[in-house]
Amino acid sequence: SQTIHQWPATLVQPVGSPLSLECTVEGTSNPNLYWYRQAAGRGLQLLFYSVGIGQISSEVPQNLSASRPQDRQFILSSKKLLLSDSGFYLCAWSVGYGNTEAFFGQGTRLTVV
Amino acid sequence: SQQGEEDPQALSIQEGENATMNCSYKTSINNLQWYRQNSGRGLVHLILIRSNEREKHSGRLRVTLDTSKKSSSLLITASRAADTASYFCATDEDDMRFGAGTRLTVKP
Repeated sequence: SQTIHQWPATLVQPVGSPLSLECTVEGTSNPNLYWYRQAAGRGLQLLFYSVGIGQISSEVPQNLSASRPQDRQFILSSKKLLLSDSGFYLCAWSVGYGNTEAFFGQGTRLTVV
Repeated sequence: SQQGEEDPQALSIQEGENATMNCSYKTSINNLQWYRQNSGRGLVHLILIRSNEREKHSGRLRVTLDTSKKSSSLLITASRAADTASYFCATDEDDMRFGAGTRLTVKP
């Protein structure tokens, strides 16, 4: 069966420090991969999506970047975190766009202090 | 930007009552999906309804789709405290973008 792993669950980082969040998927090949950010009590903002290795599409220009070094690995990074980067980050995968269900990781709560 | 927009933004009901949430979208779709998010967790897929379907059931969930009005509704019958969560809709035209959701609170 397919599973998605996202870690860490919580993270507290100082302003200006780097960030690396990792997401891996098991049990499927060539998934579409997504990174979202969610502010408290708000909806999901799509940050990046990837349809294949090395293929990254950015939705919102910002302080973050994403990479897909392997088929089932998706990494969200920042060189220098800002206070505004705080939020709940979710990774997800799907087969295609919206034609089948999407599967979400459990999220990472990032607090930049 | 996303198409699917949920309303109301927040809904508070007593346990045992029914909860109805609505989703409106803008263009033609092939399908529409509903997801639930418990606080501090990832989204969980609830149900997918195709454009040629008008109603679909899954346990206590009933989803309707009116393509002429470009709207869908999610009905949760006999609600339970455990149904407290945020609910999101998304269409295949949204390319995995979600709206702000409906925050449902079911009071015991």
